[in-house]
Amino acid sequence: DPKIIQKPKYLVAVTGSEKILICEQYLGHNAMYWYRQSAKKPLEFMFSYSYQKLMDNQTASSRFQPQSSKKNHLDLQITALKPDDSATYFCASSPFNNQAPLFGEGTRLSVL
Amino acid sequence: AQSVTQPDARVTVSEGASLQLRCKYSYSATPYLFWYVQYPRQGLQLLLKYYSGDPVVQGVNGFEAEFSKSNSSFHLRKASVHWSDSAVYFCAVRENNNAGAKLTFGGGTRLTVRP
Repeated sequence: DPKIIQKPKYLVAVTGSEKILICEQYLGHNAMYWYRQSAKKPLEFMFSYSYQKLMDNQTASSRFQPQSSKKNHLDLQITALKPDDSATYFCASSPFNNQAPLFGEGTRLSVL
Repeated sequence: AQSVTQPDARVTVSEGASLQLRCKYSYSATPYLFWYVQYPRQGLQLLLKYYSGDPVVQGVNGFEAEFSKSNSSFHLRKASVHWSDSAVYFCAVRENNNAGAKLTFGGGTRLTVRP
């Protein structure tokens, strides 16, 4: 059974709308991350959280907002969606902030 | 800033043949290095990692990688590939400090194993 659960697996949105990508991990990890994989760019780091606190943000746009309501949750809210936001978004986690992350299966977002 | 180059976007080998997937990194010090594999419609799975010590590290499913500081490389090898090894392989680097866990990935190498 997957230990990092991402919901939904597939998501279609219209330009200008808002979506929330869900991530829950059942590994007891203290650090969680978001990465993005698009057709145009290599897999790229977006955010890291440690003990529910933002540690690193490499996303230039404020349209992307992580939300951590619980220690094992790190959701990603995306507002004012654009076609360029189309990508697969991977959630990941690790025991602590400086260890190799394990990845979820991703949410594939298509913005029309 | 650190960067990772995987010069071969696609590699095709026959089942039973040996394999080497190349990875070159750019970083001023010795980084932490990783290889991940992505099977179709799945997330990334960690194959192996290098932090320090013996430059040859063993991973899962018979994979190994060799770190070379002089060549700034971390090539992945397998002695005999199986058709199930067909996947996309990513090399990644992380700064060798406690500043955070950001991984920088290469563009990936798509491996096809012919039966």
